[in-house]
Amino acid sequence: EAGVAQSPRYKIIEKRQSVAFWCNPISGHATLYWYQQILGQGPKLLIQFQNNGVVDDSQLPKDRFSAERLKGVDSTLKIQPAKLEDSAVYLCASSLRSQGPLRIYNEQFFGPGTRLTVL
Amino acid sequence: AQSVAQPEDQVNVAEGNPLTVKCTYSVSGNPYLFWYVQYPNRGLQFLLKYITGDNLVKGSYGFEAEFNKSQTSFHLKKPSALVSDSALYFCAVRDGGSGNTPLVFGKGTRLSVIA
Repeated sequence: EAGVAQSPRYKIIEKRQSVAFWCNPISGHATLYWYQQILGQGPKLLIQFQNNGVVDDSQLPKDRFSAERLKGVDSTLKIQPAKLEDSAVYLCASSLRSQGPLRIYNEQFFGPGTRLTVL
Repeated sequence: AQSVAQPEDQVNVAEGNPLTVKCTYSVSGNPYLFWYVQYPNRGLQFLLKYITGDNLVKGSYGFEAEFNKSQTSFHLKKPSALVSDSALYFCAVRDGGSGNTPLVFGKGTRLSVIA
């Protein structure tokens, strides 16, 4: 089974430039997540999609970050303009949709991440 | 709001010895608890989870974790460490009582197994 795909793997930009990351989740996974992992910290959720709808974007810095999942499959995360503090690894994860009366929780599968360096 | 504490930045253990990586959590509802491992330049890999049932959970690569409700802990353990276990380990928690609460990760513990 193919895993979560992300590209690019590495990106170096200067502050105030724009950058976009792409994620293709595991086939059949309705839920998609974007995390930011700053060096020395655990991943922090930026946004969660269920199909093409946003479930949680409470920690997304909406003045500069945006994300979309137009067809409910792959997703893009954009930063415009980038700041020095945006340097981090951006992880995409996917899971089966939580469903049923017990809301069975399905574990998340992570992609390799995109390492962003802002100079 | 939920939170996770991993009190050790680094754990060193000799190959063949037992290892423990500590995790404590705080959550208002029922805790859903997870351990993930991260190897260099790779994404997080799921090791094991506790949702309900037996407090001792067995996972991948010989790892296990014990849920202790009174101590709000979910320590990761392995009876005999391997050099290949050297990696960054993350504990995570989710409030199982709420529909869409996010997974909250600890800051990670770097495990170094010495031959």
